[in-house]
Order: sequence, then C-alpha cells, then structure tokens
Amino acid sequence: GAGVSQTPSNKVTEKGKYVELRCDPISGHTALYWYRQSLGQGPEFLIYFQGTGAADDSGLPNDRFFAVRPEGSVSTLKIQRTERGDSAVYLCASSLTASGGHTDTQYFGPGTRLTVL
Amino acid sequence: LAKTTQPISMDSYEGQEVNITCSHNNIATNDYITWYQQFPSQGPRFIIQGYKTKVTNEVASLFIPADRKSSTLSLPRVSLSDTAVYYCLVGDEENYGQNFVFGPGTRLSVLP
Repeated sequence: GAGVSQTPSNKVTEKGKYVELRCDPISGHTALYWYRQSLGQGPEFLIYFQGTGAADDSGLPNDRFFAVRPEGSVSTLKIQRTERGDSAVYLCASSLTASGGHTDTQYFGPGTRLTVL
Repeated sequence: LAKTTQPISMDSYEGQEVNITCSHNNIATNDYITWYQQFPSQGPRFIIQGYKTKVTNEVASLFIPADRKSSTLSLPRVSLSDTAVYYCLVGDEENYGQNFVFGPGTRLSVLP
C-alpha cells in the first residue's frame, strides 16, 4: 500500500520567507509526527498529532513554527520568517495510534530537504 | 526524559553477526523498545520492536534481559547493504510513553 508521502522533496527559499511543507500519512493512521534532522544527527522531535489536535508541540523551537492537521489526515508544517538555521531535512511519520505501545510503530516519509539561503 | 545510550559507530565485515547494544536505564513499565534503521537520504525504517525476552523477525533479533534496562539488536550475517544508522527508542515517561526521542544512533559500516 501507499506509504507516507511528503511534498516538496526539496525546497530552497530565501531568509525571511514563509514556507509550507506537506505530509500525507498512511490512510487510517491517527497519529502523525514531525521531526527535523540535521546532517549527522538523529531526528529531532517537533510535534505530534493525535487526530486533529496537537497532542504535544513541545519540540517546536519557537513561534515561527506551526503545524496543522485540520481533518485528521494531511498535515502542513509552516515556518515563518525562515532563517538559515532552519535548513534541515523535515521528516514526517505516522502511526496507527499513539499509545506508547506496540501499535505506535512509526512509518516515515522520505522527508523534505529545506535550504534557506 | 527517557534517554538511550548506544555506541556512536561500529565496523563489521560481510557475513559476520553484528550486535548493537542500547542502554535505557529509565525505561518505564509499559514501554516497548523499538529499533529503526536509516539509510542516507531516506527516513528511518522500522526494524523490530519488543517488550521482553527475545523477538525475531526476518531481518533481526532483539534480546531484552529481565530488568529491561538494555536491549541488543542482532543482525545475522550482515551484507554491505546493512550499512546504515541504527536507532534505539524507548518511551518517554514525561510524554506518556511516547517513543519519539531519537538519540544520535549507531553508525554501522559493513566492509567487504
């Protein structure tokens, strides 16, 4: 079946611009996660949704970052006034539930490589 | 915050068995242990998950001692294509057991 998809695969923008990154989770998965990954580092948690609501947004670095999942499926990560330090690969994952147990195995998308010039 | 500790890197040769151990002293009672594999330019991929004792699937085995404070991922007869970064995750007690805290992982290099 279809996996997690993310668009665009690459995004180049200029400092100060606004960007939106999209994630299409696996159909039927209620939990959706956003991470960012810098070169040589493990994925860094940003936010996760259980259904339409953000269950935990403690990883968002500041108020320039925002994410939505209005219908409990597709999610958009929004970054305002981008800075060069925002350059990274942004990964999205989904899981059947987010219970902390065996059903929350995360399935990752290929990521969006964001470059801020 | 739940924390895992793994070796930063390991080298092996084709055909050998590789064991990567992860320490997770603060694992909570209900937490599962999950291992992911990541190739360059790809998202992490689930390998195996377990709660206690031993779990085996078509690609790996996971050994978990009775105290569950560590776990060992075992890859039998590795090939060059097993060169990747391997991450061990356990639940985070401060976040109701959610396992989304990735460490730096173990970079496995398989040599010919």
